[in-house]
Amino acid sequence: GAGVSQSPSNKVTEKGKDVELRCDPISGHTALYWYRQRLGQGLEFLIYFQGNSAPDKSGLPSDRFSAERTGESVSTLTIQRTQQEDSAVYLCASSLLDGYEQYFGPGTRLTVT
Amino acid sequence: AQSVTQPDIHITVSEGASLELRCNYSYGATPYLFWYVQSPGQGLQLLLKYFSGDTLVQGIKGFEAEFKRSQSSFNLRKPSVHWSDAAEYFCALGPGGGNKLTFGTGTQLKVEL
Repeated sequence: GAGVSQSPSNKVTEKGKDVELRCDPISGHTALYWYRQRLGQGLEFLIYFQGNSAPDKSGLPSDRFSAERTGESVSTLTIQRTQQEDSAVYLCASSLLDGYEQYFGPGTRLTVT
Repeated sequence: AQSVTQPDIHITVSEGASLELRCNYSYGATPYLFWYVQSPGQGLQLLLKYFSGDTLVQGIKGFEAEFKRSQSSFNLRKPSVHWSDAAEYFCALGPGGGNKLTFGTGTQLKVEL
């Protein structure tokens, strides 16, 4: 079946602009995660959605970052007033409600100039 | 706070040689441990996972890992490396419940022919 998909694959934006990144999880996966991967570093957790529960936003680095999820499907990560330090690969993952295995998408490479 | 340490940033091995990638963790309870592999331009693929039981776990592509509680380690091994194994490898730690993962900074594996 189809895996996790993300769009766009690459995004170049000017400092100060807003960007929106999209994630389509695997069908039937109720849990969805966003991570950020800066060059040469591991993945940092950003936000976690699980079914209809309130999302865990504890990893969002500032109030410029927000994310939404429509039911158990698509999620969008929005970064407002982008800064150069926001340049990174943003990875989305999904898992079953009671599953521990997270399936990752290919990521969106964001470059802020 | 939980953390994952991968002491080796880069490792180079000859094709056919054995491989061991180190991972140490810090966590106050029984950990859930994972190894992921990331090839250039690709998302993360799960190699193997440890939840409980047998401390030697087998994964895909001929990889195995051993959980050693006394050493807080979960090292990844492969008896004979193939050129296609060249990639970045991430160790990750999860709390019970399968939500957000804490990742190490990764080990870049280069395979010499």
